[in-house]
Amino acid sequence: QVQLVQSGAEVKKPGASVKVSCKASGYAFSSYYMHWVRQAPGQGLEWMGMIYPSVGSTTYSQKFQGRVTMTRDTSTSTVYMELSSLSSEDTAVYYCARDSQAFDIWGQGTMVTVSS
Amino acid sequence: DIVMTQTPLSSPVTLGQPASISCRSSQSLVHSDGNTYLSWLQQRPGQPPRLLIYKISNRFSGVPDRFSGSGAGTDFTLKISRVEAEDVGVYYCMQATQFTWSFGQGTKVEIK
Repeated sequence: QVQLVQSGAEVKKPGASVKVSCKASGYAFSSYYMHWVRQAPGQGLEWMGMIYPSVGSTTYSQKFQGRVTMTRDTSTSTVYMELSSLSSEDTAVYYCARDSQAFDIWGQGTMVTVSS
Repeated sequence: DIVMTQTPLSSPVTLGQPASISCRSSQSLVHSDGNTYLSWLQQRPGQPPRLLIYKISNRFSGVPDRFSGSGAGTDFTLKISRVEAEDVGVYYCMQATQFTWSFGQGTKVEIK
């Protein structure tokens, strides 16, 4: 079946970087945009950016421009989201989501905790 | 940036009664291709979001027909005809226009 499986929880120190993976299966990986959305504890959803796996093109939210990098590996149907210069405000659950006219398939989420 | 504003932010509902959530965008969501990419997501406690409605009024696969969406331009509504216990959670509207995406603040639906 169509699914997105994300990497496990991470604990990072302020100033460090984190790289989260999202492995797709059950569909034509290169044909759908993939987005990253985060959710701070008790808060709403925040769009971070997206990648088109076919060519690797990206669009980032202005808020994260310069601090986020999204990449993909077509050989393993995996997309990655790397966020640098972490602060406590980056503590959140990070989701990947497939775009098929809407965000129809979501990963299970990856908790990233930033703490000294 | 397009700002999505939902009302109410909290909706206590009696089981079996209807519920309605409004979502207003700061500008028209009509895409250059003629479609309006306004969707509704449900997030149950401890779960990732789940797609309910896409392009204003289309129910996603497996979504019960008690959920319906309507609207146009800048004003949109999600209705639950008869709330069931499994409908408890937070509901988000979301827009996609010209390579920008944004969410409403969320509306918490709970049982009275």
